[in-house]
Amino acid sequence: DQQVKQNSPSLSVQEGRISILNCDYTNSMFDYFLWYKKYPAEGPTFLISISSIKDKNEDGRFTVFLNKSAKHLSLHIVPSQPGDSAVYFCAASSNSGGSNYKLTFGKGTLLTVNP
Amino acid sequence: SQTIHQWPATLVQPVGSPLSLECTVEGTSNPNLYWYRQAAGRGLQLLFYSVGIGQISSEVPQNLSASRPQDRQFILSSKKLLLSDSGFYLCAWGRIQETQYFGPGTRLLVL
Repeated sequence: DQQVKQNSPSLSVQEGRISILNCDYTNSMFDYFLWYKKYPAEGPTFLISISSIKDKNEDGRFTVFLNKSAKHLSLHIVPSQPGDSAVYFCAASSNSGGSNYKLTFGKGTLLTVNP
Repeated sequence: SQTIHQWPATLVQPVGSPLSLECTVEGTSNPNLYWYRQAAGRGLQLLFYSVGIGQISSEVPQNLSASRPQDRQFILSSKKLLLSDSGFYLCAWGRIQETQYFGPGTRLLVL
């Protein structure tokens, strides 16, 4: 059972335009969400996170939006740059019981930003 | 600042051989430690996590084991590797419901 889903395996955008990466989750107990960026043969790098008490968090070119009723979050990158080309993972955790030690990851979306 | 190290970076091993991957964290104490695997074209699968020395929780029953002999050292082992153990192994550290920070990873190829 895949609790965190990234339904788009890939996304291609032009440099300078907006990139929107989407993530859906099924576990209503999730209350903390993160986005990671990963280059080939490297470890994932933390980008931005959001708690369920918020619906938006912004850090420079990166903004994460959370829609709890729809169990959906998205990462917006504006403007997109060629160096943003990487796999982006969505992750979620729950503060209940023993689950707060663990992150559940989606399968990732490959973003390609074309010059 | 905190730093996480993994070695080796790349490993090619024959089927049936043993495995030992090491992860160490600097700049923090009593971290939660994690082992993940990313198989080709797949997402990140949590294998083991540890909340303290000698405390190991397994997420997926398989051919691997983990140990935490010191506060900032996490080891992934196998007695006999299988072809299906090939993948990219990532160690991470974090605290309760906070961001996890990943090491550079080890690429394992079992032939």
